[in-house]
Amino acid sequence: AQSVTQPDIHITVSEGASLELRCNYSYGATPYLFWYVQSPGQGLQLLLKYFSGDTLVQGIKGFEAEFKRSQSSFNLRKPSVHWSDAAEYFCAVGSSSANAGKSTFGDGTTLTVKP
Amino acid sequence: DTEVTQTPKHLVMGMTNKKSLKCEQHMGHRAMYWYKQKAKKPPELMFVYSYEKLSINESVPSRFSPECPNSSLLNLHLHALQPEDSALYLCASSQEPAGVTDTQYFGPGTRLTVL
Repeated sequence: AQSVTQPDIHITVSEGASLELRCNYSYGATPYLFWYVQSPGQGLQLLLKYFSGDTLVQGIKGFEAEFKRSQSSFNLRKPSVHWSDAAEYFCAVGSSSANAGKSTFGDGTTLTVKP
Repeated sequence: DTEVTQTPKHLVMGMTNKKSLKCEQHMGHRAMYWYKQKAKKPPELMFVYSYEKLSINESVPSRFSPECPNSSLLNLHLHALQPEDSALYLCASSQEPAGVTDTQYFGPGTRLTVL
């Protein structure tokens, strides 16, 4: 069964500092991986996704993520955090034909940005 | 355009009321989803429609009744809810329910409060 672990429940960074949010997955084949961001009371917004090819993917809002098969990781990074980045971040593994429709989400990481 | 719309934005209902949530997408997606999300938790899958047919029901109580009138619309009919059903209800859609085309786009959600 596929699973996603986000080891950090809560991260606090200063505005302008760099950010890395960790995501580890368990999946039998090449996974389809996603990062979503959710502001309070809002829906989930897709930041970026990885399906194949270049292991460093660029997303919206200046985010990037790197797929590392050897470490089963898909960590999200941003070189300089803005106060508006404060939100909940979810990593997810997409479904396969065997379990169509059933994406798996991590428990999320809450990002707080200090002025 | 990757927009999924949901109405209403907020809903307060009593335990004897009947209400409906509505979701709409015009991206030509053939898979649509209902999720329930409690505060500080990841979305929990409730239902999946694939090509307008219910393909997944995650053992959701019968007081929640989904409906897919056409490929662009998804409803969730609510009846005799309990206070513990209070949550953010998210709709999502994807081109297909599995594989590389299973990039899910989320609506802003309906904040439901059951009194």
